Amino acid sequence: DQQVKQNSPSLSVQEGRISILNCDYTNSMFDYFLWYKKYPAEGPTFLISISSIKDKNEDGRFTVFLNKSAKHLSLHIVPSQPGDSAVYFCAASAYNTDKLIFGTGTRLQVFP
Amino acid sequence: DAGVTQSPTHLIKTRGQQVTLRCSPKSGHDTVSWYQQALGQGPQFIFQYYEEEERQRGNFPDRFSGHQFPNYSSELNVNALLLGDSALYLCASSPLERDRVETQYFGPGTRLLVL
Repeated sequence: DQQVKQNSPSLSVQEGRISILNCDYTNSMFDYFLWYKKYPAEGPTFLISISSIKDKNEDGRFTVFLNKSAKHLSLHIVPSQPGDSAVYFCAASAYNTDKLIFGTGTRLQVFP
Repeated sequence: DAGVTQSPTHLIKTRGQQVTLRCSPKSGHDTVSWYQQALGQGPQFIFQYYEEEERQRGNFPDRFSGHQFPNYSSELNVNALLLGDSALYLCASSPLERDRVETQYFGPGTRLLVL
């Protein structure tokens, strides 16, 4: 049972435009959501997070939106840069646990 | 300051064998979690160690076991290897005083191939 889903395995965006990565979840107990970025031969690195009490969190070029009623979150990258090319994982955790539940990832390619 | 380190980087085993993977946490971190990332999948939580005890466990069989040493480093052991155990094994460490899960830092992983 996939509790966190990323239905788009890949996304290709032109440099300077917006990248939108989507994630859906099924478990209502999740109260914290995170995005990780992964380059080949490296471990995932934390990018941005959002608590379930918020609907938006922004950090520089990265913004995460949470729609609790739809159990959906998205990551916006504006403007996209070639260095953003990587695999992006959505993850979720329930209150008072460090256990992360990951999606299957979306490979983002930003081309010049 | 070294981040999370894992050894070996790559490993090839045959079915039925046993394997031990090692992880050294980031300086100042005392909690270690292990994840398995199969090809085309996201990382899946195996278990977490804190104060040399297994604190949380994911949906993995008893063939997967671990250990944490007094210096906070950790080992993941897998017995009776199956072809399906082929994956990237990630270690993540986090500090004692942490606000939320984003303080977990991941190592580069050990890629295990079972033939």
